[in-house]
Amino acid sequence: GIQVEQSPPDLILQEGANSTLRCNFSDSVNNLQWFHQNPWGQLINLFYIPSGTKQNGRLSATTVATERYSLLYISSSQTTDSGVYFCAGIRFNTGKLIFGQGTTLQVKP
Amino acid sequence: DTEVTQTPKHLVMGMTNKKSLKCEQHMGHRAMYWYKQKAKKPPELMFVYSYEKLSINESVPSRFSPECPNSSLLNLHLHALQPEDSALYLCASTPGQLNYGYTFGSGTRLTVV
Repeated sequence: GIQVEQSPPDLILQEGANSTLRCNFSDSVNNLQWFHQNPWGQLINLFYIPSGTKQNGRLSATTVATERYSLLYISSSQTTDSGVYFCAGIRFNTGKLIFGQGTTLQVKP
Repeated sequence: DTEVTQTPKHLVMGMTNKKSLKCEQHMGHRAMYWYKQKAKKPPELMFVYSYEKLSINESVPSRFSPECPNSSLLNLHLHALQPEDSALYLCASTPGQLNYGYTFGSGTRLTVV
């Protein structure tokens, strides 16, 4: 079955708005991570968040490992936040990083 | 230095050509990875090198040949590719095969004609 599932698949925001991206993951993966891929292809590691909450500027993430989901919050969005946000986890016994299908975010000025 | 550098950024090659992609990091990371990403899809793992030894090969066709000459350098040799191999090829590294701390390069956009 699907090991890492993200929602929504697409999101359009007006600059300044807030948003929440969701990642559900199966019990075959852990060590949740969030990445941002900009329109030029660069993948940036935003958070390593196997559990708990972390914040970095306007971004924060929360993982509830017992319920197998993680949330990425973007506050006061800017046009530079546009791109694809991937959630990924490590599959047990393989060490492989498994990506979700991504959420494509477009922030309009 | 906190970067993974990939060259070239763009590559167009014919199906009979031989070319190589290069990836370099100077962060002292001991695990390096090749990923392939098709348009509007997530990255897919191809190979993992851990301490300069190939530890994972995701059943990649032999027309893709990885090489890790030293702990800072990772190559991907390409030969007799098909048009469906056109994709973004991403290199990444981690401190060890420790499951976190991924640093990705900006990728090579490969077009096979």
